[in-house]
Amino acid sequence: SQKIEQNSEALNIQEGKTATLTCNYTNYSPAYLQWYRQDPGRGPVFLLLIRENEKEKRKERLKVTFDTTLKQSLFHITASQPADSATYLCALDRLGAGKSTFGDGTTLTVKP
Amino acid sequence: NAGVTQTPKFRILKIGQSMTLQCTQDMNHNYMYWYRQDPGMGLKLIYYSVGAGITDKGEVPNGYNVSRSTTEDFPLRLELAAPSQTSVYFCASSYSKGQTNTDTQYFGPGTRLTVL
Repeated sequence: SQKIEQNSEALNIQEGKTATLTCNYTNYSPAYLQWYRQDPGRGPVFLLLIRENEKEKRKERLKVTFDTTLKQSLFHITASQPADSATYLCALDRLGAGKSTFGDGTTLTVKP
Repeated sequence: NAGVTQTPKFRILKIGQSMTLQCTQDMNHNYMYWYRQDPGMGLKLIYYSVGAGITDKGEVPNGYNVSRSTTEDFPLRLELAAPSQTSVYFCASSYSKGQTNTDTQYFGPGTRLTVL
């Protein structure tokens, strides 16, 4: 069956360091992958989308990579700040599926 | 634009009661979704709709029903509420899923439901 796994443990890092979150998947051939941010008590907010033929995508301090051979996406936040503390969700999509499959998320805490 | 709005924000139900969670979007999106999120877990898809008059089951549809009579509205109906339906419910919408740059989902603020 299809399975999506994000970092099993919460991630704690020091301000200024780079946070790296992982999203691994099995039995899935996604056409694209999305990353969302979710703050406590709020709905997820879209951050980045990367397609299967793209290796890397950047947006300000955020970078996403997509390796379809390893079946893995990495999400990086450089020069992290306490305001980056949140839960980050990855979502996989197949063309024409009409729906996404979400991972359980990784909670990131950036300490000052 | 208000985006995706959901009502109510909070609700407590007794076992066996019924209720409808409302969801409205003003972005003219054709795709709409209902998810539930249990504490510390990810989003589980309940039902989704690719356009008015069309709905389909997601991963966890049992105990729920939906309808999509207009592009804007996608209500979720709970019949015979059970404690297992205690969760936070999120509605989302997107435009023409599967098309380049138009697959982002926009989420509502959620409805926190407790069934006692």
